[in-house]
Amino acid sequence: NAGVTQTPKFRVLKTGQSMTLLCAQDMNHEYMYWYRQDPGMGLRLIHYSVGEGTTAKGEVPDGYNVSRLKKQNFLLGLESAAPSQTSVYFCASSYSKRVGGDTQYFGPGTRLTVL
Amino acid sequence: SQQGEEDPQALSIQEGENATMNCSYKTSINNLQWYRQNSGRGLVHLILIRSNEREKHSGRLRVTLDTSKKSSSLLITASRAADTASYFCATDEIAAGNKLTFGGGTRVLVKP
Repeated sequence: NAGVTQTPKFRVLKTGQSMTLLCAQDMNHEYMYWYRQDPGMGLRLIHYSVGEGTTAKGEVPDGYNVSRLKKQNFLLGLESAAPSQTSVYFCASSYSKRVGGDTQYFGPGTRLTVL
Repeated sequence: SQQGEEDPQALSIQEGENATMNCSYKTSINNLQWYRQNSGRGLVHLILIRSNEREKHSGRLRVTLDTSKKSSSLLITASRAADTASYFCATDEIAAGNKLTFGGGTRVLVKP
């Protein structure tokens, strides 16, 4: 099993450009999450999904959109990138709480720089 | 604001010593989890302690939870250079639904 994978690993954007980050998991997890991590800080939740076709806002959703068209994939979009979105983005997934899913499995991260 | 706040922010110890870090939180929780992050990598789950548990062990890790003080501690015994990493607590808040809230982390350096 590959676990949680993220593409791309690195990206540099200019202000105003758009891009999509892809997260894929092969563990049949119900829940998926997008976080951002800024230097020396913990993770802040951007958006999350508790099932295919559903998404919800996290702590810092502004400037981002997400889609969960397939259970195994969770996409994070930046429509008009800003320097404040320079960060490392982590995707995570977990089983649903209905089946005792408590722990999250993380991808390796995407390092995004917005100039 | 962050639910979990960790203390200290950074810790430097010699190999073989114990490392202790603390996490405080503000609201009622279902469980508290500790994760580890090696430099430039994703987080890896270490241990979970439920709100009705007071202490849990996993290998060289010992976690305690005091719900009356809303605090938890992570002890790494007989540390190794490979334990050098950042350690994060994450709380599963009762009112938050299906998400975790992460603290700012403790950076641990184990010197050989």
